[in-house]
Amino acid sequence: GAVVSQHPSWVICKSGTSVKIECRSLDFQATTMFWYRQFPKQSLMLMATSNEGSKATYEQGVEKDKFLINHASLTLSTLTVTSAHPEDSSFYICSATRVGALSRTGEKLFFGSGTQLSVL
Amino acid sequence: QKEVEQNSGPLSVPEGAIASLNCTYSDRGSQSFFWYRQYSGKSPELIMSIYSNGDKEDGRFTAQLNKASQYVSLLIRDSQPSDSATYLCAVKGAGGTSYGKLTFGQGTILTVHP
Repeated sequence: GAVVSQHPSWVICKSGTSVKIECRSLDFQATTMFWYRQFPKQSLMLMATSNEGSKATYEQGVEKDKFLINHASLTLSTLTVTSAHPEDSSFYICSATRVGALSRTGEKLFFGSGTQLSVL
Repeated sequence: QKEVEQNSGPLSVPEGAIASLNCTYSDRGSQSFFWYRQYSGKSPELIMSIYSNGDKEDGRFTAQLNKASQYVSLLIRDSQPSDSATYLCAVKGAGGTSYGKLTFGQGTILTVHP
C-alpha cells in the first residue's frame, strides 16, 4: 500500500525557534498534500492544502506567515512553524492523495505518522 | 453548531459485545462519509467509507448512513480489546468543497474491556 513518511515524529524546541516538518510520499506521486493539526482530545483540523508547484491554500484562521508550506515536488511537502510558541504545541499530521485517485476521497487519502511538537 | 459531531465518550463495552458509534453532520449536501480509527499518538487509519443510504458491511464493521437524518454510524461486532481507540467520523462536503478536504468529528473514545 501507499506510504507517507512524516519526519520528525516528535520535536521539542524552545519558544521563538522555527521547526520544519517533512512529509514524503514514498511510492507514489502526490498531487495534493494536506496538513492537519490535532490538539489533545480534539479533532483533526485542516490547516492548509498544498499543491505541487503552487501556493498553499490556508483554512480560515490559519496564519500563512506563521505556518509556511512548501510543496516543491510531487513527493515532498514541508510545513515550517516559524517562531513557535507554547500554544503551537500540537500533533501535526500530513496526508497525501495519489495522482489519478478516484474522485471519492478518503479511500485514496494516505496519512503520515504525525509529528508531536512541544514548544517550551 | 459543529459541522461533524460525535459523542466524545468514553464508550466502554465488554469484549465480544457490539460497540455502536454515532455521528451527525450539518452539511446536507455531503456525499462521502468515513470512519477512521486512531490510536493514541498515531495517525488515523481508514476503517470504512460509505456513500449511499443503508448499511455497508466489512468483516466485523458495519457502517450505516441515513442522509435524511444526517446521521452515520459504525457498529463493531465481537469487540476486541485491540479495538480500543478513538474513532473519528469524517465527512466530505458537497460541490464546492476542495478535493480531499475532510471535516472530522472530535472522535469517540472506545474502550473494550476483557
